[in-house]
Amino acid sequence: DAGITQSPRHKVTETGTPVTLRCHQTENHRYMYWYRQDPGHGLRLIHYSYGVKDTDKGEVSDGYSVSRSKTEDFLLTLESATSSQTSVYFCAISEGRIAGGDTEAFFGQGTRLTVV
Amino acid sequence: AQSVTQLGSHVSVSEGALVLLRCNYSSSVPPYLFWYVQYPNQGLQLLLKYTSAATLVKGINGFEAEFKKSETSFHLTKPSAHMSDAAEYFCAVSSSNTGKLIFGQGTTLQVKP
Repeated sequence: DAGITQSPRHKVTETGTPVTLRCHQTENHRYMYWYRQDPGHGLRLIHYSYGVKDTDKGEVSDGYSVSRSKTEDFLLTLESATSSQTSVYFCAISEGRIAGGDTEAFFGQGTRLTVV
Repeated sequence: AQSVTQLGSHVSVSEGALVLLRCNYSSSVPPYLFWYVQYPNQGLQLLLKYTSAATLVKGINGFEAEFKKSETSFHLTKPSAHMSDAAEYFCAVSSSNTGKLIFGQGTTLQVKP
């Protein structure tokens, strides 16, 4: 299994509080991604990073920010959590751009976040 | 813009029967296509991928998928379902100009004894 660790694995938080999810990799892969998974929507890309300090928005980035100060760590922050952000969050990594060849995305185990 | 549509959010088959999970894509450039499987309370695992080398792609656990450009489809099949195949399956698309994976809504496969 690819060395991806997400923390925490489960979290319950109150509306309006800040929350930070961490993704740590030991593969030295350049690309890292944050997805959220919701029933009926599959996985939707929140933000991704293509290098240290290089990030870009995905399709559902509103209300989320990210930071990547080291190759191995990619943080997802909910500045002020809302109930609509209750979801399962997945981190993924890839060695290069996901565009075929030998490049593929490896996923972490997920973080289940509940905002009450 | 790229998109993926998986037809049928739930598919139920009997053990030993053919598995067919449908995926149609939209892409203005040659796509790269993937099937992922997710077992309960786990992350996603790559089943197979299409990278233009061959239209019929074989993956793990006896699954295969055929790329049909004329039908913009990439359906996943397995000749004989096993109880352990029960999981959620996701089709995804990417392209060289985006480098991002876009997922379909997912199909839950139920295998009945």
